[in-house]
Amino acid sequence: GAVVSQHPSRVICKSGTSVKIECRSLDFQATTMFWYRQFPKQSLMLMATSNEGSKATYEQGVEKDKFLINHASLTLSTLTVTSAHPEDSSFYICSARVGNGNTEAFFGQGTRLTVV
Amino acid sequence: AQTVTQSQPEMSVQEAETVTLSCTYDTSESDYYLFWYKQPPSRQMILVIRQEAYKQQNATENRFSVNFQKAAKSFSLKISDSQLGDAAMYFCAYRSRSTLTFGGGTRVLVKP
Repeated sequence: GAVVSQHPSRVICKSGTSVKIECRSLDFQATTMFWYRQFPKQSLMLMATSNEGSKATYEQGVEKDKFLINHASLTLSTLTVTSAHPEDSSFYICSARVGNGNTEAFFGQGTRLTVV
Repeated sequence: AQTVTQSQPEMSVQEAETVTLSCTYDTSESDYYLFWYKQPPSRQMILVIRQEAYKQQNATENRFSVNFQKAAKSFSLKISDSQLGDAAMYFCAYRSRSTLTFGGGTRVLVKP
C-alpha cells in the first residue's frame, strides 16, 4: 500500500511553546488528509479534515486556533499545536487518501506529544 | 452522524483457535466501506480487511474474514488459527465520502 510518513514520532516540549507535526504522502498525492487524536487505551478521535488548498474542517469541540492545520500541497499537511499545555499531551495520527468518495486511507506512524 | 460500536473491550483466544470480534454501525447511507484495522503496540494502524457495502460476498484475507450483514448493520471479524502476532487492538471503521469513523476498539489477547 501507499506510504504516509509522519514526523516527528516523539516530541517533548515545554508548556507554552508550539509544536509542528508533519504528515507526508510519499508515493501518492493526497487530496484529503485527516488528523486524529488518541488517548491511552481509547479509540481514534477525528480532529479535523483538510483538503489541499482550502481551510480545514474541524470537528465539534476542537479549537481551530489551538490546532492549526495547513495542507499546502498534495503531499504535505501540518498540524501545529499552539501554546501547548500538559492536557495536549496525546498521540496524534494523520491519515491520507487519494481522491474523494469511499477510497482507502493510509496512516502515518503517529506522534507522541508530551508537554511538560 | 454515523456511529460505530464495538461491544467487546477485550477478547482472549488460545493460539491456533478462532476468535470473532463484533461491530455494529448506524448509518442512513447506502454506499459506504467498512474496515477492520489492527493497532499493535507500535501504534501503527494496519489495514486488516475491508468490505464494500454494495458487495454481498464477505471479504476474506488469509486467516481473516468478515461476516457482513447489511440489513442488520453488522460487520464482525473472524480471526482463524490465531497467532501470537495477532495480539493487538482491533478497530472497526466506517467510511463515508467525508470521513472515517472508528469504533471504540477491542483488545485481542492471544494465549500460547
